[in-house]
Amino acid sequence: NAGVTQTPKFRILKIGQSMTLQCAQDMNHNYMYWYRQDPGMGLKLIYYSVGAGITDKGEVPNGYNVSRSTTEDFPLRLELAAPSQTSVYFCASRISGGGAETDTQYFGPGTRLTVL
Amino acid sequence: GNSVTQMEGPVTLSEEAFLTINCTYTATGYPSLFWYVQYPGEGLQLLLKATKADDKGSNKGFEATYRKETTSFHLEKGSVQVSDSAVYFCALSPFQGAQKLVFGQGTRLTINP
Repeated sequence: NAGVTQTPKFRILKIGQSMTLQCAQDMNHNYMYWYRQDPGMGLKLIYYSVGAGITDKGEVPNGYNVSRSTTEDFPLRLELAAPSQTSVYFCASRISGGGAETDTQYFGPGTRLTVL
Repeated sequence: GNSVTQMEGPVTLSEEAFLTINCTYTATGYPSLFWYVQYPGEGLQLLLKATKADDKGSNKGFEATYRKETTSFHLEKGSVQVSDSAVYFCALSPFQGAQKLVFGQGTRLTINP
């Protein structure tokens, strides 16, 4: 089990460029999440998905788009990069259904993005 | 609404010192409570959790007890090591199966040899 994987690990973008951050999980989790973590700050939820074909906004969705065509993958798209999007991005997933394990989220290693 | 408040950081201790990181919460129902740890350059990992009042979560020498009367879930360790240097996040799930976790702001812990 690779768990939650994210690519790339690092990226530098110029203002106005676009890119897709990739996230994949091999645990058959229905729920997936995208967070950003600004320097010295906590986590802010960008988007989440409760299953293939279903996505919803979190606290800070502006400037981002997501899609969920498969259970395994949950890419995050930045269309017009801005310096305010400089951050570390984490993807997470969790199982659905009942039971004590339901609420535990499993995180990927993160993508460090700098927009200049 | 639901919220988590953590002790302000950063916290700096010497090796073998006793650690407490305070966490209090506000929730309308019966939340589950979590501590996550983020080591330098890595993603968050679940450290421990408790799903009902008076439960004690424990892992790697860390403990936290779910106190409903004080709405608290303080993280403790009797003797910290340099390798415990990390950022610690307290979090809650408002109810079992809730779609989203609510995170505290994180507390940066540095242990000096």
